[in-house]
Amino acid sequence: GNSVTQMEGPVTLSEEAFLTINCTYTATGYPSLFWYVQYPGEGLQLLLKATKADDKGSNKGFEATYRKETTSFHLEKGSVQVSDSAVYFCALSLPTAYNNNDMRFGAGTRLTVKP
Amino acid sequence: NAGVTQTPKFQVLKTGQSMTLQCAQDMNHEYMSWYRQDPGMGLRLIHYSVGAGITDQGEVPNGYNVSRSTTEDFPLRLLSAAPSQTSVYFCASSPGQNYGYTFGSGTRLTVV
Repeated sequence: GNSVTQMEGPVTLSEEAFLTINCTYTATGYPSLFWYVQYPGEGLQLLLKATKADDKGSNKGFEATYRKETTSFHLEKGSVQVSDSAVYFCALSLPTAYNNNDMRFGAGTRLTVKP
Repeated sequence: NAGVTQTPKFQVLKTGQSMTLQCAQDMNHEYMSWYRQDPGMGLRLIHYSVGAGITDQGEVPNGYNVSRSTTEDFPLRLLSAAPSQTSVYFCASSPGQNYGYTFGSGTRLTVV
């Protein structure tokens, strides 16, 4: 079935370090891909998205490129800040027989950035 | 502000009690979903709706009911609460596949 696998955490970085969180997917068809961020005590917020192969999504200094050949959508940021500490979820959306917007999430990766 | 509103934010139930988690959105989104979030398991889909009057089961529907009488509202009913339903519940809405979901702030439910 359709699924997302993302790197296990937790990830701990120093401020201004480079961030990569790996995400790969399995899908029958052509999914849209998403990264969500969850701050403590809050719901998930859409961080960025890409809807077709080779698209790059970007927001707040974060980037991810939809790689069909490697079925990946890795999240990157060049210089993290303490305020980036959160849980990050990779997700895909793909039409199914009954739901045109079936969203599947990875398990989440907790990022802690230390000053 | 436009968005998804969930109530209550916290709830403690005794085993066997029933309750309804409320969810409302004011963005005229077709798609609405209920997820539960448990440590180390990401988000699991409980029920979803592709429009008013249409609902279907997700991955973990047992013990829950939903209805969608209007575009705006999508309540989740726990029929007879069990400790295994202790979780954080999120309601989310979306206009379509390429747009992603907008999430509510969640309901933290404890069943004792």
